[in-house]
Amino acid sequence: GQQVMQIPQYQHVQEGEDFTTYCNSSTTLSNIQWYKQRPGGHPVFLIQLVKSGEVKKQKRLTFQFGEAKKNSSLHITATQTTDVGTYFCGAGAQKLVFGQGTRLTINP
Amino acid sequence: GAVVSQHPSRVICKSGTSVKIECRSLDFQATTMFWYRQFPKKSLMLMATSNEGSKATYEQGVEKDKFLINHASLTLSTLTVTSAHPEDSSFYICSAPAGGMTDTQYFGPGTRLTVL
Repeated sequence: GQQVMQIPQYQHVQEGEDFTTYCNSSTTLSNIQWYKQRPGGHPVFLIQLVKSGEVKKQKRLTFQFGEAKKNSSLHITATQTTDVGTYFCGAGAQKLVFGQGTRLTINP
Repeated sequence: GAVVSQHPSRVICKSGTSVKIECRSLDFQATTMFWYRQFPKKSLMLMATSNEGSKATYEQGVEKDKFLINHASLTLSTLTVTSAHPEDSSFYICSAPAGGMTDTQYFGPGTRLTVL
């Protein structure tokens, strides 16, 4: 079945520093979705990427889908304490397979 | 956005009992819902796909007799953990796609099950 590998597993940054998490697949993905899970909470949908080479921005968050549609990244510029949480990528049509998640902690 | 509710949010039970968890789509219909399990600080593991009007589809390694799924209506799916044991303690989350072929998933708030 489809698998996505996500790195890093953990990332600790100083507030104001940038943060990036990466997802990679050995197969071409039809789409990729990104979710954020706050500590103690449930995953919340952030964005979906469908097109090859697609780049989308949400304020300080930049999402990219690779040209080959096998990898994706989420970049946060100038992190804030509200960015704390675990970020998951998910791939698949309807039935999502999630990456391992990247847990972001921030030193204020 | 679409809302998915889950009940109960937290349950503690004795070993050997069965626990039912409900997942409801509040403002949309869902012919398909998904059940995930999440261990502390781990990713979401897809357990099964709940299909309205037909049998659930279980992922490899998930015991269908242990985790009974019933998709009673277009807005309700239930997961029953039968004869629960301490190793079944986990965070169970459901999700429902809100429409379209490449759907975004709307997640319920999750149910934390603790089996004593």
